[in-house]
Amino acid sequence: NAGVTQTPKFRVLKTGQSMTLLCAQDMNHEYMYWYRQDPGMGLRLIHYSVGEGTTAKGEVPDGYNVSRLKKQNFLLGLESAAPSQTSVYFCASGTRTFYEQYFGPGTRLTVT
Amino acid sequence: GQQVMQIPQYQHVQEGEDFTTYCNSSTTLSNIQWYKQRPGGHPVFLIQLVKSGEVKKQKRLTFQFGEAKKNSSLHITATQTTDVGTYFCAGNSGNTPLVFGKGTRLSVIA
Repeated sequence: NAGVTQTPKFRVLKTGQSMTLLCAQDMNHEYMYWYRQDPGMGLRLIHYSVGEGTTAKGEVPDGYNVSRLKKQNFLLGLESAAPSQTSVYFCASGTRTFYEQYFGPGTRLTVT
Repeated sequence: GQQVMQIPQYQHVQEGEDFTTYCNSSTTLSNIQWYKQRPGGHPVFLIQLVKSGEVKKQKRLTFQFGEAKKNSSLHITATQTTDVGTYFCAGNSGNTPLVFGKGTRLSVIA
């Protein structure tokens, strides 16, 4: 099992460009999450999904959109990237909100 | 909203010394989890505590959940260089998403 995978690993965008980050899990987990990690800020939840076809906002959702068309995939989109979105993005999955989360390796995004 | 605070932010120890990080929540928690993130890596689940006053041990690591279920601690005995990383606590109430603390970064000097 690959666990949780993220594509791409690194990306540099210019302000105003768009992109989609892909998260895939092969553990048949219902719950999936997108976090951003900034120095000194810990992990902040952007959006999450409790099942295929459902999404919900987390702590810092502005500037991001998500989709969960298939149970194993969770996409994070940036429609118009801003320098404030420079961060490391982690995807995670789990069986329920109550239980442990399994994290992907992360995507390091730089917006210039 | 729910907040989870962690102290200290940084800790530098000599190899062999003990280390403790503390986690405090503004609300009563249903459960608390601890994660470890090595430099350049991703968070990895260590343990979950759900009962008031619960204590769990993993080799040199001891985890405690407070009686009021609003605080927790992670204690490492006789640190080793392999313990280097950032330790995060994360908690939730009911069926809400986990809220992570900002983490404690541990450096171990050999």
